[in-house]
Amino acid sequence: AQSVSQHNHHVILSEAASLELGCNYSYGGTVNLFWYVQYPGQHLQLLLKYFSGDPLVKGIKGFEAEFIKSKFSFNLRKPSVQWSDTAEYFCAAMNTGFQKLVFGTGTRLLVSP
Amino acid sequence: KAGVTQTPRYLIKTRGQQVTLSCSPISGHRSVSWYQQTPGQGLQFLFEYFSETQRNKGNFPGRFSGRQFSNSRSEMNVSTLELGDSALYLCASSLASNVADTQYFGPGTRLTVL
Repeated sequence: AQSVSQHNHHVILSEAASLELGCNYSYGGTVNLFWYVQYPGQHLQLLLKYFSGDPLVKGIKGFEAEFIKSKFSFNLRKPSVQWSDTAEYFCAAMNTGFQKLVFGTGTRLLVSP
Repeated sequence: KAGVTQTPRYLIKTRGQQVTLSCSPISGHRSVSWYQQTPGQGLQFLFEYFSETQRNKGNFPGRFSGRQFSNSRSEMNVSTLELGDSALYLCASSLASNVADTQYFGPGTRLTVL
């Protein structure tokens, strides 16, 4: 069955610390990968996506993610977090040809000033 | 461009009632997907409509249904509400024809079933 796993449920960091959130997927066939963010009181927003090509993708607000096919992973990174990055982060996957996103359980990030 | 809009934003219903939620996609987007978000189950796919046809369906009971109109606006209906249907219902739109495409989410409708 298709699934997405996020191993860190809660992460607490100080400002300027580096961030890496893990995401692993279990999918057959070609997969498209996404990271979405949900800031407090706001709706889901797209951070970045991988469809094909360069496995290192850059998104908004300084975030990036690396697609490692051999590890079935799509980890999210940011070199230096800010207080405003406090949010819940969701990894999601989609098979090409199907408009069905399968989400991970989310990671709540708290950045202390 | 205006984003995805959902109405109403909040709803309170009682068990056994039915409810209809509405979603207006981004202009030009023809695919509309619906998701249920709960603290226990996270985000789960309900169904997707494209050109007024349901293309994909998640693992939800038949009490959950939807439709899409010719202007791509979509409605979702839940009949015979149960307490467990309390959730944030999210709508997402995309251009998507035959390939995977990025989905853009609305603010959601928070449904509380008493």
